[in-house]
Amino acid sequence: SQTIHQWPATLVQPVGSPLSLECTVEGTSNPNLYWYRQAAGRGLQLLFYSVGIGQISSEVPQNLSASRPQDRQFILSSKKLLLSDSGFYLCAWSPGTSDETQYFGPGTRLLVL
Amino acid sequence: SQQGEEDPQALSIQEGENATMNCSYKTSINNLQWYRQNSGRGLVHLILIRSNEREKHSGRLRVTLDTSKKSSSLLITASRAADTASYFCATGLIQGAQKLVFGQGTRLTINP
Repeated sequence: SQTIHQWPATLVQPVGSPLSLECTVEGTSNPNLYWYRQAAGRGLQLLFYSVGIGQISSEVPQNLSASRPQDRQFILSSKKLLLSDSGFYLCAWSPGTSDETQYFGPGTRLLVL
Repeated sequence: SQQGEEDPQALSIQEGENATMNCSYKTSINNLQWYRQNSGRGLVHLILIRSNEREKHSGRLRVTLDTSKKSSSLLITASRAADTASYFCATGLIQGAQKLVFGQGTRLTINP
């Protein structure tokens, strides 16, 4: 069966510090991968998605970047965090076939102080 | 603005009652999905309905889709305390069919 991992679960970082959040998927090949951000009590905002290694599409211009160095690894990064980067970050994958269901990881709660 | 808008934003009912949540969207879609999120957790897929379908069932869940009105509803029958969560609709667009656009969600509370 397929599983998706995200770490860390919680992160507190000072303004101006770098960020690296990692997401890995097991049990599938060539998945579509997604990064979302969720503000408290709100819906999900799609940040980045990837249909293959090295292929990244950005949905919202911002302080963040994403990379996909391996087929089942998706990394969200920032060189200098802003207060507004605080939120709940969710990684998801989909089979990239006619099954368009997305499967979510447990999320990373980021607090920038 | 968001493609999907849920209504109501919050709903509180007694255990055993039925809960109905609605979702409206703006553009043509390929499919519409409903997800559940327990507090502080990731989202869990509940059900997917395609644009050529009008109704779908899964256990105590019933989803309808009216493409002429660009709306969908999620009915949870015989609610349980464990159904307490936020529920989101997400639309798969015809353009960029691999992406989903999520609404703001309905916060459902089931009172024992």
